Amino acid sequence: AQSVTQLGSHVSVSEGALVLLRCNYSSSVPPYLFWYVQYPNQGLQLLLKYTSAATLVKGINGFEAEFKKSETSFHLTKPSAHMSDAAEYFCAVSENTGNQFYFGTGTSLTVIP
Amino acid sequence: DVKVTQSSRYLVKRTGEKVFLECVQDMDHENMFWYRQDPGLGLRLIYFSYDVKMKEKGDIPEGYSVSREKKERFSLILESASTNQTSMYLCASRDPWDIQYFGAGTRLSVL
Repeated sequence: AQSVTQLGSHVSVSEGALVLLRCNYSSSVPPYLFWYVQYPNQGLQLLLKYTSAATLVKGINGFEAEFKKSETSFHLTKPSAHMSDAAEYFCAVSENTGNQFYFGTGTSLTVIP
Repeated sequence: DVKVTQSSRYLVKRTGEKVFLECVQDMDHENMFWYRQDPGLGLRLIYFSYDVKMKEKGDIPEGYSVSREKKERFSLILESASTNQTSMYLCASRDPWDIQYFGAGTRLSVL
C-alpha cells in the first residue's frame, strides 16, 4: 500500500511570502499525485494533479507543484501568499490501477497579515 | 458544474442509534467513496463503490455498512452508533480522469 507523508501539520507564513508545503510518497512506480485544499466548513477541492505529462504542474489560485522522482516528493508552492490561502491542504496519491486513494494527514496553512 | 451533495451538514445522535448518511452526485460517476476525517489523521477510507450494488471495504470499515441502489446515491450506515464514530464524514465521487469531487461533509456527533 502507498503512504503519503506531509511534513509539518501547521505552517505559518506572512502575507506576500513564499508558501512551501511538503509531500513525500512511497512508491516504486510513479503514481498519480494530487493536492487538494479544504476551506473551513467545506469539502475538499482539487488544486492540481500530476499524471506524468510534465514534472511541474500548475494549479488554481497561483499554486504549483513539482514532481521529483529521485526524492519521491511532490511539494506545493506559491510565490506570494494571500490571506485567502489560509486553509488545510492535503496531498494524495492514487495508483494507476485500483480505486484506492491515499491521503496525507494534512497541513494547516495560516497566513499572517 | 460538478456537484456532490450530502444530505446533512450537522447531525447529533445517541449511542446505539442507527444512522444514515446520504450522498448524491449528479455527474454519472461510477465510483463513489466514503471517508472520515479526524484531526491529525487526515482522510481515511471507509468504503467505496465502483458500480451499483458493488462495494469494497476501505481501511476502516468496522462499524459501518454502505448501500448503493442507484448510481447517483451512496449511503453510509452506522448500524449502532458509538461515541468513537463522532467525526467529519466526507463523500466523494471520482471521474474517469481520477479526480475526486467532494461533498461539503457531515459533522456527526454521537452522544
